[in-house]
Amino acid sequence: AQTVTQSQPEMSVQEAETVTLSCTYDTSESDYYLFWYKQPPSRQMILVIRQEAYKQQNATENRFSVNFQKAAKSFSLKISDSQLGDAAMYFCAYRSGNGGYNKLIFGAGTRLAVHP
Amino acid sequence: NAGVMQNPRHLVRRRGQEARLRCSPMKGHSHVYWYRQLPEEGLKFMVYLQKENIIDESGMPKERFSAEFPKEGPSILRIQQVVRGDSAAYFCASSPPTSRVPHGYTFGSGTRLTVV
Repeated sequence: AQTVTQSQPEMSVQEAETVTLSCTYDTSESDYYLFWYKQPPSRQMILVIRQEAYKQQNATENRFSVNFQKAAKSFSLKISDSQLGDAAMYFCAYRSGNGGYNKLIFGAGTRLAVHP
Repeated sequence: NAGVMQNPRHLVRRRGQEARLRCSPMKGHSHVYWYRQLPEEGLKFMVYLQKENIIDESGMPKERFSAEFPKEGPSILRIQQVVRGDSAAYFCASSPPTSRVPHGYTFGSGTRLTVV
C-alpha cells in the first residue's frame, strides 16, 4: 500500500523569505501523481501544485515550486517570497495513475506560520 | 459555475442521533469522493461513488456509516447512532467522468460534525 509521510509537523518563515516543506512517499508503482494542497483556517482544500511522475521537469506555479526526486521518492514544496496569506496547513498527497478513479492518499500535514 | 457545495457547514448532534451530510458536485462531475479529517490529521479516504453506484468503500467504517449518490440530488453521507469519535471534518470532492484525471479533484469546504 502507498504511504505519504510529512516529517515536519510545524514550520515557520519570515515574510519574503523562502521555506521548503518536505514530503516522502512509498510506492511500487511507476505511474502516479503527486500534489500539494493548502488548507487555510477556512478549511477549504486548495490545490497548490501537482506533478506527474513521468515528467522529469519540476512543476512550478508562480511562487510555488517542487523538487521531485523520483528515485528517492521525495516531493518537497518550496515557497518563495513568503506572504502572510501563505500561513496554512499544507498536505502532500499521492494518487495512483493506474486505472481511473484512484483515491488520494494524504500525509499528516505541515502547519506553516509566516511571521511579519 | 459553483464549486462543490457541502451542507451544512457545521452540524452538532447528540450521541445516538443520526447525521446526514450533503454534497452537490460541480456541474458536469459525476464522480464523488468522501474524506474524513480528524483533528490535527490529514484527510482519510472513505468512499468513492458514481451516480447510483458505490465504486470503492474501502475506507468506510463497517458499521453505522453509509453513502449514496442518487440519480437526482446530492450525495449523502449518513452516520447512524453517532459517537464522540465521529467528531471530525467531512470533505466531499468531485471529478469529471474521465478515466485519467491528472488533477487532484475539486473539494468542498467540508462539514464539521461535533458530537456532544
